[in-house]
Amino acid sequence: QVQLQESGPGLVKPSETLSLTCTVSGDSISSSYWNWIRQPPGKGLEWIGYISDSGSTNYNPSLRGRVTISLDTSKNQFSLKLTSVTAADAAVYYCARAQSTRLNFYFDYWGQGTLVTVSS
Amino acid sequence: SSELTQDPAVSVALGQTVRITCQGASLKNYYASWYQQKPRQAPVLVIYGRNNRPSGIPDRFSGSSSGNTGSLTITGAQAEDEADYYCNSRDSSGNNLVFGGGTKLTVL
Repeated sequence: QVQLQESGPGLVKPSETLSLTCTVSGDSISSSYWNWIRQPPGKGLEWIGYISDSGSTNYNPSLRGRVTISLDTSKNQFSLKLTSVTAADAAVYYCARAQSTRLNFYFDYWGQGTLVTVSS
Repeated sequence: SSELTQDPAVSVALGQTVRITCQGASLKNYYASWYQQKPRQAPVLVIYGRNNRPSGIPDRFSGSSSGNTGSLTITGAQAEDEADYYCNSRDSSGNNLVFGGGTKLTVL
């Protein structure tokens, strides 16, 4: 059974960097696509970006320039860094595994989510 | 605004059939996937590809596609199906991923 678990600070100051880690068990991180998705309180889901098993990345254009996703295969983890955060970045952050085919890209396993608050 | 459009809210009587739709130009080229999210829980994949259900998803959930619209149908809705439902797909460029705004399903 694949399991994902987010970890990291629940409180970040404005203008600082949000850093989260996702630990994967039950699957090797050396396959599939590894994603970050967020959900502001009371709002919908927003895809942040992914890193593939080969290390290639793809980010939401609205966040490009502020976001970096990296892979640590030795720990079976992947991480998110989001710089210059504002109140608009406050959300529940999910990590998720995705599968990609020519016609479909879907998130088949999700972490439980971690709430990040932005406040001084 | 999202490239995928969903009705904000839909209701269905217990045991009846309901269709939740997702519209977007990219759906002419890609399938929508569907997720169920209950309060204070992570989303759960319920439909992917042409009409595939992950293990453990009841067969009352099904998916279909026509033109620029993807649909999730629940045949014989149950009280436990009350949740928010999100679609996702690639965007029109094919390079990025997008979610619909979500549909809140109420089972009456």
